[in-house]
Amino acid sequence: GENVEQHPSTLSVQEGDSAVIKCTYSDSASNYFPWYKQELGKRPQLIIDIRSNVGEKKDQRIAVTLNKTAKHFSLHITETQPEDSAVYFCAASMRSSELVFGKGMKLTVNP
Amino acid sequence: GAVVSQHPSWVICKSGTSVKIECRSLDFQATTMFWYRQFPKQSLMLMATSNEGSKATYEQGVEKDKFLINHASLTLSTLTVTSAHPEDSSFYICSARDRLADTQYFGPGTRLTVL
Repeated sequence: GENVEQHPSTLSVQEGDSAVIKCTYSDSASNYFPWYKQELGKRPQLIIDIRSNVGEKKDQRIAVTLNKTAKHFSLHITETQPEDSAVYFCAASMRSSELVFGKGMKLTVNP
Repeated sequence: GAVVSQHPSWVICKSGTSVKIECRSLDFQATTMFWYRQFPKQSLMLMATSNEGSKATYEQGVEKDKFLINHASLTLSTLTVTSAHPEDSSFYICSARDRLADTQYFGPGTRLTVL
C-alpha cells in the first residue's frame, strides 16, 4: 500500500520568512495530494491540494509543487505569520480511495 | 468548503459502557466516510472506511466488533465504541468524501475519555 513520508517533523521560522515542507510517496498510482493544517484540538483543514495532472498550484501565500517522477511534493508558505503556526499534514491517495497521511510537521512562526 | 459535523464534541464515560459518535455531511452527499483516531502529537490513523449501504472496511488491527460503524444514509455515519476501556481514550475524527469534488472534509472531532 501507499506510504507517505514527511519531513521535517518540526520547523521554527521568523515571521516573514518562508517555510517549506516536503513529502514523498511510494505508490506511483496515487494521483491526489492534499495538504491539511491542524491547530491544537481542532479538525484538519484542507488548505490546498494538487492532482497529478499539474506540477504546481498557488493560492496567495501558499503553493504546492509535485514531481511525479521523483514521487515527492512540497508545500511552500511565503511571508509567514504567527497564525500560520500549526501542524501541517500531507497526504496521498488514488481517486476514490482513502487518504494516507504523513506524520505531520509542527510549524512555529516566531513574531 | 463543505461542512462536516460531528457529535458529541467530547464525552466522558465509565469503563465498560458504549459510546456512539455521529458524523454528518451537512451540504453534500458522502457515499464514503472515513473514521480516524488521533493520539496527542501524532498523525491521523485510519480506522475504517464506511460506504453507504454496505459494511465498513476496517484497517488491520482495528477490531470490528469493538468499533461498530453504520453508514445508513448519504449524510450520516456512526461509530460506536463498545465496552470502552481507558485505552480507547483518544480523539476520533471522521471525514466525508464529497463525491462530486472528490475531496475529503473533516469533522471537528470527538474527544473520548474513558474513566
